[in-house]
Amino acid sequence: QKEVEQNSGPLSVPEGAIASLNCTYSDRGSQSFFWYRQYSGKSPELIMSIYSNGDKEDGRFTAQLNKASQYVSLLIRDSQPSDSATYLCAVWLLYGGSQGNLIFGKGTKLSVKP
Amino acid sequence: GAGVSQSPSNKVTEKGKDVELRCDPISGHTALYWYRQSLGQGLEFLIYFQGNSAPDKSGLPSDRFSAERTGGSVSTLTIQRTQQEDSAVYLCASSPGGGQPQHFGDGTRLSIL
Repeated sequence: QKEVEQNSGPLSVPEGAIASLNCTYSDRGSQSFFWYRQYSGKSPELIMSIYSNGDKEDGRFTAQLNKASQYVSLLIRDSQPSDSATYLCAVWLLYGGSQGNLIFGKGTKLSVKP
Repeated sequence: GAGVSQSPSNKVTEKGKDVELRCDPISGHTALYWYRQSLGQGLEFLIYFQGNSAPDKSGLPSDRFSAERTGGSVSTLTIQRTQQEDSAVYLCASSPGGGQPQHFGDGTRLSIL
């Protein structure tokens, strides 16, 4: 069973703090990793992609990937109330030849308190 | 258009009726996905089209659900003999290819009375 696991939260952080969101996945063959943000009543919105081990920074967001530990995380620096949303981790799993699929975690709900 | 377009945005129908939901992906995107999301729940994968390959239908919950993708572009998700448990938001996403980031439409909110 190919799985992507996230803590459902809610994760509550004060404004200005660093929010750390974590995701583990079950398949070592995973190729691509994505973080999506979903506001209540809206569609998921892509915020970060990461494909190789290490850190990738984009503004206040940093994605971290460790394939050996099968772990990907998202750090949000200087958290703002507008960052309050559900964050979905998604992992592309390759399961034979060129066949694969994108597996989503159930999401972590983040609440940033003013 | 620049993004993934879904129609209708809202659909209310009576139990037992058939419904068709449409998705127009971003131009040039070869991969197209359908998901379902019930209130407060995560994304439930339904079906995935990649180019001319046979679609991955492993997420379809019953044989009342089917989907087509004509000409490698527009897709239609059909639900026959709708049930109240089919009420959800149906999301479509497209990507340039497998393993590439998906871009979502605004979804169709389906309500079965």
